[in-house]
Amino acid sequence: SQQGEEDPQALSIQEGENATMNCSYKTSINNLQWYRQNSGRGLVHLILIRSNEREKHSGRLRVTLDTSKKSSSLLITASRAADTASYFCAYGRSSNTGKLIFGQGTTLQVKP
Amino acid sequence: DTAVSQTPKYLVTQMGNDKSIKCEQNLGHDTMYWYKQDSKKFLKIMFSYNNKELIINETVPNRFSPKSPDKAHLNLHINSLELGDSAVYFCASSQDGSTEAFFGQGTRLTVV
Repeated sequence: SQQGEEDPQALSIQEGENATMNCSYKTSINNLQWYRQNSGRGLVHLILIRSNEREKHSGRLRVTLDTSKKSSSLLITASRAADTASYFCAYGRSSNTGKLIFGQGTTLQVKP
Repeated sequence: DTAVSQTPKYLVTQMGNDKSIKCEQNLGHDTMYWYKQDSKKFLKIMFSYNNKELIINETVPNRFSPKSPDKAHLNLHINSLELGDSAVYFCASSQDGSTEAFFGQGTRLTVV
């Protein structure tokens, strides 16, 4: 299966703590993206990191990419209750089609 | 202004019926997609269109027929609905194949 794998499947932390989610994939990629999905809602794009990049930041989010290990991580610092959601990694293999292959997601609960 | 909008948000129908889900994007993107999210939150691409032309058809039963009247619209028609079609269907768009995707809010289809 080409599906990405995410770890952990579920994560529960206290407000203010950091949350780290990991994603692994099996093929060469063009880019890797992280999305957030609040319960019953659509997916919201967080960060895109290209295959020639190693780290990217956006506000409280930090994404790393290790193409030699075929893995990526998403770090959310100083978490808030509003960060409670499911987080998905998705990778694109081709810049032509835009097809994204998703991981199964990590459900994050941030307790106030 | 809603970037990617799909209707209806909820759809409950009986087995054997035919139904359509509409999607429109006002982002000026060239590429549009349909994704299916199952009960375990697994997201999988179904179709991709670029400028009204089909570029991805991922082993989807031919009961599913996408139609793109113009590059801002990608509708999904489903014939002879089956219980296994119950899922959340997401429309998405992107500028090209190497940029982030913008998702609609989803259509929760329940076949009874």
